[in-house]
Amino acid sequence: ETAVFQTPNYHVTQVGNEVSFNCKQTLGHDTMYWYKQDSKKLLKIMFSYNNKQLIVNETVPRRFSPQSSDKAHLNLRIKSVEPEDSAVYLCASSWGGEQYFGPGTRLTVL
Amino acid sequence: QEKVQQSPESLIVPEGAMVSLNCSFSDSASQSIWWYQQHPGKGPKALISIFSNGNKKEGRLTVYLNRASLHVYLHIKDSQPSDSAVYLCAVINYGSSGNKLIFGIGTLLSVKP
Repeated sequence: ETAVFQTPNYHVTQVGNEVSFNCKQTLGHDTMYWYKQDSKKLLKIMFSYNNKQLIVNETVPRRFSPQSSDKAHLNLRIKSVEPEDSAVYLCASSWGGEQYFGPGTRLTVL
Repeated sequence: QEKVQQSPESLIVPEGAMVSLNCSFSDSASQSIWWYQQHPGKGPKALISIFSNGNKKEGRLTVYLNRASLHVYLHIKDSQPSDSAVYLCAVINYGSSGNKLIFGIGTLLSVKP
């Protein structure tokens, strides 16, 4: 049963374009996250957002920015995509220890 | 920075076999360790977690934590083809602004009928 929803499933774009991915959770959790999963399947946290407090992984380039309208939504915007941004972007939410992941958005940058 | 390493990278076993997956972490103060399962094209799904030294059993899964050696193990009993997936070990640290998970690169398990 999917409770973390992501759109789109995949997106193909060209270098320099702006993209935006959506994430919504229906679990009532207080904290949401964005992860990047590279071609080697390594998952790295990019952002966590809790009660209007944003925690940024210092390795994340500035062209990435999360956007939240309420605690159920956390979108991801990439201002000017680069080839190395090609990856799967996973959204998650949590209350306590367990994290619930969405199915991911696969980004391909040509 | 916490580091999480997993072995083996991949594993092929016959149906019904016992599977053992290994994970090591670098920070003995890490608060809990989770195992996640990820099928192709899906997001990871939490399987089992452990906080204290020793064993924890849930169904066909047993997790064993040894904080002194910085190792955690996942055993899957009577493996099934549906268990074929990537298994991710994750170390979690709790904070006031949310939980920070550090993932290993995973073990790809294939269970052959």
